[in-house]
Amino acid sequence: AQKITQTQPGMFVQEKEAVTLDCTYDTSDPSYGLFWYKQPSSGEMIFLIYQGSYDQQNATEGRYSLNFQKARKSANLVISASQLGDSAMYFCAMRPPGGYQKVTFGTGTKLQVIP
Amino acid sequence: NAGVTQTPKFQVLKTGQSMTLQCAQDMNHEYMSWYRQDPGMGLRLIHYSVGAGITDQGEVPNGYNVSRSTTEDFPLRLLSAAPSQTSVYFCASTPGKGDEQFFGPGTRLTVL
Repeated sequence: AQKITQTQPGMFVQEKEAVTLDCTYDTSDPSYGLFWYKQPSSGEMIFLIYQGSYDQQNATEGRYSLNFQKARKSANLVISASQLGDSAMYFCAMRPPGGYQKVTFGTGTKLQVIP
Repeated sequence: NAGVTQTPKFQVLKTGQSMTLQCAQDMNHEYMSWYRQDPGMGLRLIHYSVGAGITDQGEVPNGYNVSRSTTEDFPLRLLSAAPSQTSVYFCASTPGKGDEQFFGPGTRLTVL
């Protein structure tokens, strides 16, 4: 069974600063995928970034990067130059090999960006 | 493309009533899922489908039924609503070749 742990229920960051949201995972599969989603107060789920377990480099998408440390089983999301619009819930998620629909989500971190 | 659509957006039921939450996608995705989101618990998988005619249970399937007669539609049926089913329900789809799941806007269900 796979498990995702997000230990930070809430975080604050100053506008224009960088912030790291923690995510650790547990799986016995050698092949898996890791995701981050953003959920603003309006409620929709927005895909941010993906990392495959065999990807050699850390994934990046604009101001988002995923700090993937396979040996530590961590997949932290780094947001650079925070903006007020980054205030939202952030969910880490994982899927097993071939299990495109069997995605497990963490409990989320609520990020608040302070002007 | 409309993407993933869900109806209704809001619904209030009485205990024991049944209803169907609708989900449709126009992206020809093979894989579809239903999740429920409760405060402090993230999203939990209810049922999923890997193609028309093929469905399977997720983490919390009790009290829910699904069917997948077409690639486009994946309705979720509540057989006899209970207050414990008060939640926000999300439908999602993916082609299975990329990595992103495309989510619908959600249905907020309250069971009294």
